[in-house]
Amino acid sequence: EVQLVETGGGLVQPGGSLRLSCAASGFTFSNYWMHWVRQAPGKGLVWVSRISSDGSITSYADSVKGRFTISRDNAKNTLYLQMNSLRAEDTAVYYCESIVEARPNWGQGTLVTVSS
Amino acid sequence: EVVLTQSPGSLSLSPGERATLSCRASQSVTSNYLAWYQQKPGQAPRLLIYGASSRATGIPDRFSGSGSGTDFTLTMSRLEPEDFAEYYCQQYGSAPQTFGQGTKVEIK
Repeated sequence: EVQLVETGGGLVQPGGSLRLSCAASGFTFSNYWMHWVRQAPGKGLVWVSRISSDGSITSYADSVKGRFTISRDNAKNTLYLQMNSLRAEDTAVYYCESIVEARPNWGQGTLVTVSS
Repeated sequence: EVVLTQSPGSLSLSPGERATLSCRASQSVTSNYLAWYQQKPGQAPRLLIYGASSRATGIPDRFSGSGSGTDFTLTMSRLEPEDFAEYYCQQYGSAPQTFGQGTKVEIK
């Protein structure tokens, strides 16, 4: 069974940084692209970033480009999201996602709150 | 990117009634990689349907998905009290994956 567990969320001041992690199990992590998706309070779901199976290809939503960096450690079965220059509008629950055999899988999410 | 438009925005129904939710794509969804999620306040989205019509593990058979190309439907044959929630569609056939804006199913 695919399991994804996000950690690293919390309260951070505007302009600050935070690194999210997503521990994966139940599938061959190194074979699959991974994604981050976020949901602001009371709002819908928005894709944030993705990374190829070997980490060589990344892409970002325009809203986070230049501020967020996605990466992975296939030896540790872990996905990361480094978030810099955080803004109030980055406040959201962040979910990691894998699509394994055409089936999306999500973690339970981690809440990031950007506020002074 | 593929824009998904869900309709209606909200639906007011009674337990036992049938609910039909629509998700329309701005272009054909590759391989019909279209998923439906249920979300309740304070919870993560719960996968109901993937690949347009495959039920996820543990999902009751009153939930069914249909459609192909640009038009997709989630049907709940007989609403149970626990089915009143927000529902989202997602296409993951082409990058970037995108989501509909949601349909709220409320108790009448």
